[in-house]
Amino acid sequence: QKEVEQDPGPLSVPEGAIVSLNCTYSNSAFQYFMWYRQYSRKGPELLMYTYSSGNKEDGRFTAQVDKSSKYISLFIRDSQPSDSATYLCAMSAASDGGYQKVTFGTGTKLQVIP
Amino acid sequence: EAGVTQFPSHSVIEKGQTVTLRCDPISGHDNLYWYRRVMGKEIKFLLHFVKESKQDESGMPNNRFLAERTGGTYSTLKVQPAELEDSGVYFCASSLAREGTEAFFGQGTRLTVV
Repeated sequence: QKEVEQDPGPLSVPEGAIVSLNCTYSNSAFQYFMWYRQYSRKGPELLMYTYSSGNKEDGRFTAQVDKSSKYISLFIRDSQPSDSATYLCAMSAASDGGYQKVTFGTGTKLQVIP
Repeated sequence: EAGVTQFPSHSVIEKGQTVTLRCDPISGHDNLYWYRRVMGKEIKFLLHFVKESKQDESGMPNNRFLAERTGGTYSTLKVQPAELEDSGVYFCASSLAREGTEAFFGQGTRLTVV
């Protein structure tokens, strides 16, 4: 079983829709939870990260972490065609020496249709 | 400010040959990471440098892979000899934070072994 599970999609939504992207995980040691956006032929770009449980909002993006359920979500409000990309969840746990080792999900491909 | 830069952007080599990938991190970022994405799979951690020291190389697949970071600046990842299963996209990332939460990724090097 993978440590991080993410539905690969693709997910197609009309412009203006609310998008919900999710990941589940099995490692209870994960402490930091991140969402990356990756456009085709580009490197991942960090959207936001949260520490432990709770919500975090940044503009049209909201990240939620539920550690009790081992479930994280990213919501995109008023989705735009420019949001079309692959969204990767990532999580990290402390390794020896206190540094964090990041584990990625496979990514969900999102298409926002004008 | 320049971002993380990777060279080359694409490399096609024959099985058994040697390839060296280069990563120039953001200036001042002590933490440098190498990741790899094999087609259809998630991005996987390879190793983590703190300055010139290898903090964690638990993700390196085998001894055909050698990473260096001389002087704590740029890093190279050498594959010798290359095998077909080494094909994929190799990403480099750098960060200030030891948690790796705010890591900036390069555009990746697409390696194809034929």
